[in-house]
Amino acid sequence: KQEVTQIPAALSVPEGENLVLNCSFTDSAIYNLQWFRQDPGKGLTSLLLIQSSQREQTSGRLNASLDKSSGRSTLYIAASQPGDSATYLCAAYHTGGFKTIFGAGTRLFVKA
Amino acid sequence: GAVVSQHPSWVICKSGTSVKIECRSLDFQATTMFWYRQFPKQSLMLMATSNEGSKATYEQGVEKDKFLINHASLTLSTLTVTSAHPEDSSFYICSARGEGQSYEQYFGPGTRLTVT
Repeated sequence: KQEVTQIPAALSVPEGENLVLNCSFTDSAIYNLQWFRQDPGKGLTSLLLIQSSQREQTSGRLNASLDKSSGRSTLYIAASQPGDSATYLCAAYHTGGFKTIFGAGTRLFVKA
Repeated sequence: GAVVSQHPSWVICKSGTSVKIECRSLDFQATTMFWYRQFPKQSLMLMATSNEGSKATYEQGVEKDKFLINHASLTLSTLTVTSAHPEDSSFYICSARGEGQSYEQYFGPGTRLTVT
């Protein structure tokens, strides 16, 4: 059974810091791994999608990496801004049952 | 990018009534749609997977008679919460996946259901 874990559960940093959010999954049989952002009371915004054959994806200040063999993905946020404050979710699309399994999220707060 | 809409965005209903939530893929054909539920400060839990024209597959612990899912066309899936109770109050999010190799899912904005 696929399980997705995110560490840390919550993070508070001053503006301008570079930070790393971690995601681990127990079963490496995945099609892809996706990172999302969720603002309070809102739906999901897709940030980056990494195919199982890829190692990383970049979009602006965001960089996501994927290491299937170790069951890990990281989301790197450069030069954090208060507007980055949100919950970040990672989700692994598992080949077994074709299901997407979500982590519990990391709540990020960037202080001005 | 592909757009998925949900209607309504929020709804308040009385205990014992039924509520229908619509999920539409606006610019692509969704062969598969997924319904998730999210309780406050928790992650998304998959409720069911529906393929167009066939019965939905429910996750363990999800009552199929309570959460009726219909995927009648390639652009529309509906979730009906029947005989709603306060414990059904939650954030319901749908996602849709079209054809293609990326298997990327596109998520709707969510529907907040409050049962009084």
